[in-house]
Amino acid sequence: KAGVTQTPRYLIKTRGQQVTLSCSPISGHRSVSWYQQTPGQGLQFLFEYFSETQRNKGNFPGRFSGRQFSNSRSEMNVSTLELGDSALYLCASSWGVGTDTQYFGPGTRLTVL
Amino acid sequence: KNEVEQSPQNLTAQEGEFITINCSYSVGISALHWLQQHPGGGIVSLFMLSSGKKKHGRLIATINIQEKHSSLHITASHPRDSAVYICAVVSNTGNQFYFGTGTSLTVIP
Repeated sequence: KAGVTQTPRYLIKTRGQQVTLSCSPISGHRSVSWYQQTPGQGLQFLFEYFSETQRNKGNFPGRFSGRQFSNSRSEMNVSTLELGDSALYLCASSWGVGTDTQYFGPGTRLTVL
Repeated sequence: KNEVEQSPQNLTAQEGEFITINCSYSVGISALHWLQQHPGGGIVSLFMLSSGKKKHGRLIATINIQEKHSSLHITASHPRDSAVYICAVVSNTGNQFYFGTGTSLTVIP
Protein backbone atom coordinates (compact mmCIF):
# COMPACT_ATOMS: atom_id res chain seq x y z
CA LYS A 1 0.00 0.00 0.00
CA ALA A 2 1.47 3.36 -0.97
CA GLY A 3 2.30 5.76 1.84
CA VAL A 4 1.38 9.39 2.27
CA THR A 5 2.78 11.52 -0.52
CA GLN A 6 3.39 15.24 -0.50
CA THR A 7 4.19 17.51 -3.39
CA PRO A 8 6.31 19.40 -4.00
CA ARG A 9 9.12 18.23 -1.71
CA TYR A 10 10.99 21.51 -1.87
CA LEU A 11 9.80 24.99 -2.65
CA ILE A 12 11.38 28.44 -2.69
CA LYS A 13 9.15 31.50 -2.68
CA THR A 14 9.57 35.20 -1.98
CA ARG A 15 7.78 37.31 0.59
CA GLY A 16 4.27 38.28 -0.42
CA GLN A 17 3.72 35.33 -2.71
CA GLN A 18 1.29 32.54 -2.04
CA VAL A 19 1.88 28.80 -2.07
CA THR A 20 -0.22 25.65 -2.34
CA LEU A 21 0.99 22.33 -0.96
CA SER A 22 -0.61 18.99 -1.74
CA CYS A 23 -1.03 15.82 0.29
CA SER A 24 -2.32 12.45 -0.90
CA PRO A 25 -3.29 10.18 2.01
CA ILE A 26 -3.01 6.43 2.25
CA SER A 27 -5.81 4.80 0.30
CA GLY A 28 -8.89 4.46 2.48
CA HIS A 29 -7.82 7.08 5.02
CA ARG A 30 -10.38 9.84 5.40
CA SER A 31 -8.55 12.11 7.83
CA VAL A 32 -5.70 14.42 6.86
CA SER A 33 -3.87 16.65 9.30
CA TRP A 34 -1.32 19.35 8.56
CA TYR A 35 1.60 20.40 10.75
CA GLN A 36 4.31 23.03 10.63
CA GLN A 37 7.77 22.26 11.97
CA THR A 38 10.39 24.95 12.61
CA PRO A 39 13.62 24.84 14.62
CA GLY A 40 12.30 27.48 16.99
CA GLN A 41 8.71 26.35 17.58
CA GLY A 42 8.98 22.63 16.90
CA LEU A 43 5.91 20.84 15.61
CA GLN A 44 2.66 22.77 15.60
CA PHE A 45 -0.78 21.64 14.54
CA LEU A 46 -2.32 23.55 11.65
CA PHE A 47 -5.63 21.85 10.89
CA GLU A 48 -7.37 18.54 10.42
CA TYR A 49 -9.84 17.51 7.75
CA PHE A 50 -12.20 14.59 7.75
CA SER A 51 -14.57 13.81 4.90
CA GLU A 52 -14.01 17.24 3.30
CA THR A 53 -14.81 19.10 6.53
CA GLN A 54 -12.33 20.98 8.69
CA ARG A 55 -12.67 19.37 12.11
CA ASN A 56 -10.00 21.21 14.07
CA LYS A 57 -7.78 24.21 13.62
CA GLY A 58 -4.61 25.25 15.39
CA ASN A 59 -3.56 28.72 16.39
CA PHE A 60 -2.42 30.08 13.02
CA PRO A 61 -3.46 33.26 11.21
CA GLY A 62 -6.07 33.24 8.48
CA ARG A 63 -3.32 33.31 5.84
CA PHE A 64 -3.13 29.57 6.40
CA SER A 65 -6.02 27.67 4.89
CA GLY A 66 -6.75 24.25 3.58
CA ARG A 67 -9.30 22.02 1.98
CA GLN A 68 -9.98 18.37 1.37
CA PHE A 69 -11.43 16.84 -1.75
CA SER A 70 -13.88 13.98 -2.12
CA ASN A 71 -11.00 11.55 -2.76
CA SER A 72 -9.48 12.63 0.61
CA ARG A 73 -6.56 14.42 -1.03
CA SER A 74 -5.85 17.67 0.74
CA GLU A 75 -4.24 20.98 -0.07
CA MET A 76 -3.04 23.74 2.17
CA ASN A 77 -2.51 27.29 1.05
CA VAL A 78 -0.46 30.05 2.58
CA SER A 79 -1.08 33.54 1.26
CA THR A 80 1.10 36.64 1.60
CA LEU A 81 4.14 34.64 2.64
CA GLU A 82 6.37 35.92 5.42
CA LEU A 83 9.96 34.96 6.20
CA GLY A 84 8.73 33.18 9.31
CA ASP A 85 6.66 30.79 7.21
CA SER A 86 9.86 29.01 6.19
CA ALA A 87 9.38 25.55 7.62
CA LEU A 88 8.86 21.89 6.98
CA TYR A 89 5.16 21.27 6.35
CA LEU A 90 4.04 17.77 7.16
CA CYS A 91 0.77 16.07 6.51
CA ALA A 92 -0.45 12.89 8.11
CA SER A 93 -3.38 10.65 7.33
CA SER A 94 -5.41 8.29 9.47
CA TRP A 95 -8.63 6.30 9.38
CA GLY A 96 -10.40 8.52 11.87
CA VAL A 97 -10.00 11.76 13.73
CA GLY A 98 -7.37 12.49 16.37
CA THR A 99 -7.22 9.23 18.25
CA ASP A 100 -6.09 7.00 15.40
CA THR A 101 -2.51 6.20 14.46
CA GLN A 102 -1.19 8.86 12.12
CA TYR A 103 0.93 8.10 9.07
CA PHE A 104 3.18 10.94 8.08
CA GLY A 105 4.30 12.07 4.67
CA PRO A 106 7.91 13.12 3.95
CA GLY A 107 7.06 16.81 4.17
CA THR A 108 7.43 19.86 1.97
CA ARG A 109 10.38 22.11 2.79
CA LEU A 110 9.29 25.70 2.14
CA THR A 111 11.87 28.47 2.06
CA VAL A 112 10.67 32.06 1.92
CA LEU A 113 13.24 34.61 0.77
CA LYS B 1 3.00 27.90 28.40
CA ASN B 2 3.81 24.43 27.12
CA GLU B 3 1.00 21.93 27.34
CA VAL B 4 3.52 19.11 26.86
CA GLU B 5 6.92 18.87 28.52
CA GLN B 6 9.53 16.27 27.66
CA SER B 7 12.69 15.28 29.44
CA PRO B 8 15.51 14.99 28.88
CA GLN B 9 16.01 17.27 25.88
CA ASN B 10 19.16 15.45 24.86
CA LEU B 11 20.33 11.96 25.71
CA THR B 12 23.49 10.06 24.82
CA ALA B 13 23.67 6.36 25.59
CA GLN B 14 26.01 3.47 24.97
CA GLU B 15 24.72 0.67 22.79
CA GLY B 16 22.81 -1.85 24.89
CA GLU B 17 21.68 0.60 27.57
CA PHE B 18 18.09 0.90 28.79
CA ILE B 19 16.65 4.30 27.90
CA THR B 20 13.70 6.22 29.33
CA ILE B 21 12.15 9.37 27.90
CA ASN B 22 9.49 11.15 29.91
CA CYS B 23 6.48 13.21 28.88
CA SER B 24 4.23 15.26 31.14
CA TYR B 25 1.15 17.12 29.98
CA SER B 26 -1.23 19.62 31.51
CA VAL B 27 -4.43 19.19 29.50
CA GLY B 28 -7.11 16.54 29.54
CA ILE B 29 -6.43 14.13 26.73
CA SER B 30 -8.16 11.54 24.62
CA ALA B 31 -4.90 10.05 23.35
CA LEU B 32 -1.13 10.37 23.52
CA HIS B 33 1.22 9.64 20.63
CA TRP B 34 4.92 8.85 20.62
CA LEU B 35 6.64 9.80 17.37
CA GLN B 36 10.12 9.14 16.03
CA GLN B 37 11.85 11.55 13.65
CA HIS B 38 15.08 10.66 11.91
CA PRO B 39 17.48 13.19 10.37
CA GLY B 40 15.95 14.31 7.09
CA GLY B 41 12.54 14.85 8.62
CA GLY B 42 10.57 11.62 8.21
CA ILE B 43 8.23 10.99 11.14
CA VAL B 44 7.02 7.57 12.19
CA SER B 45 4.26 6.99 14.70
CA LEU B 46 5.52 4.53 17.32
CA PHE B 47 2.58 4.30 19.70
CA MET B 48 -0.83 5.71 20.37
CA LEU B 49 -2.00 5.31 23.96
CA SER B 50 -5.10 6.17 25.89
CA SER B 51 -4.35 3.98 28.91
CA GLY B 52 -1.96 1.37 30.26
CA LYS B 53 1.02 0.07 28.39
CA LYS B 54 1.99 -0.99 24.88
CA LYS B 55 5.02 -2.92 23.65
CA HIS B 56 6.47 -3.24 20.18
CA GLY B 57 9.77 -5.04 19.88
CA ARG B 58 12.30 -3.28 22.10
CA LEU B 59 10.02 -0.29 22.64
CA ILE B 60 7.60 0.06 25.54
CA ALA B 61 5.26 2.97 26.17
CA THR B 62 3.30 3.57 29.35
CA ILE B 63 0.79 6.18 30.39
CA ASN B 64 -0.61 7.20 33.76
CA ILE B 65 -3.74 9.25 33.12
CA GLN B 66 -4.12 10.34 36.76
CA GLU B 67 -0.52 11.56 36.92
CA LYS B 68 -0.70 13.04 33.38
CA HIS B 69 2.56 11.34 32.54
CA SER B 70 3.89 8.95 29.92
CA SER B 71 7.21 7.23 29.43
CA LEU B 72 8.87 5.69 26.42
CA HIS B 73 11.41 2.98 27.17
CA ILE B 74 13.93 1.48 24.79
CA THR B 75 15.53 -1.77 25.89
CA ALA B 76 18.93 -2.88 24.52
CA SER B 77 19.41 0.40 22.65
CA HIS B 78 21.07 0.33 19.24
CA PRO B 79 22.69 3.07 17.12
CA ARG B 80 19.76 2.86 14.69
CA ASP B 81 17.54 4.12 17.56
CA SER B 82 19.31 7.48 17.26
CA ALA B 83 16.56 9.94 16.41
CA VAL B 84 14.36 12.63 17.93
CA TYR B 85 11.46 11.25 19.94
CA ILE B 86 8.39 13.47 20.20
CA CYS B 87 5.45 13.18 22.55
CA ALA B 88 2.12 14.53 21.29
CA VAL B 89 -1.26 14.68 23.00
CA VAL B 90 -4.75 15.06 21.62
CA SER B 91 -6.85 17.22 23.92
CA ASN B 92 -10.26 15.93 24.88
CA THR B 93 -11.73 19.37 24.19
CA GLY B 94 -11.64 20.22 20.52
CA ASN B 95 -9.24 17.43 19.48
CA GLN B 96 -6.27 19.83 19.43
CA PHE B 97 -2.80 18.37 19.01
CA TYR B 98 -0.04 19.60 21.31
CA PHE B 99 3.57 18.56 20.86
CA GLY B 100 6.57 18.30 23.14
CA THR B 101 9.83 19.80 21.95
CA GLY B 102 11.37 16.38 21.46
CA THR B 103 14.19 14.35 22.96
CA SER B 104 17.27 13.96 20.80
CA LEU B 105 18.74 10.49 21.39
CA THR B 106 22.19 9.43 20.26
CA VAL B 107 23.24 5.84 20.80
CA ILE B 108 26.99 5.27 20.53
CA PRO B 109 28.32 1.90 19.36
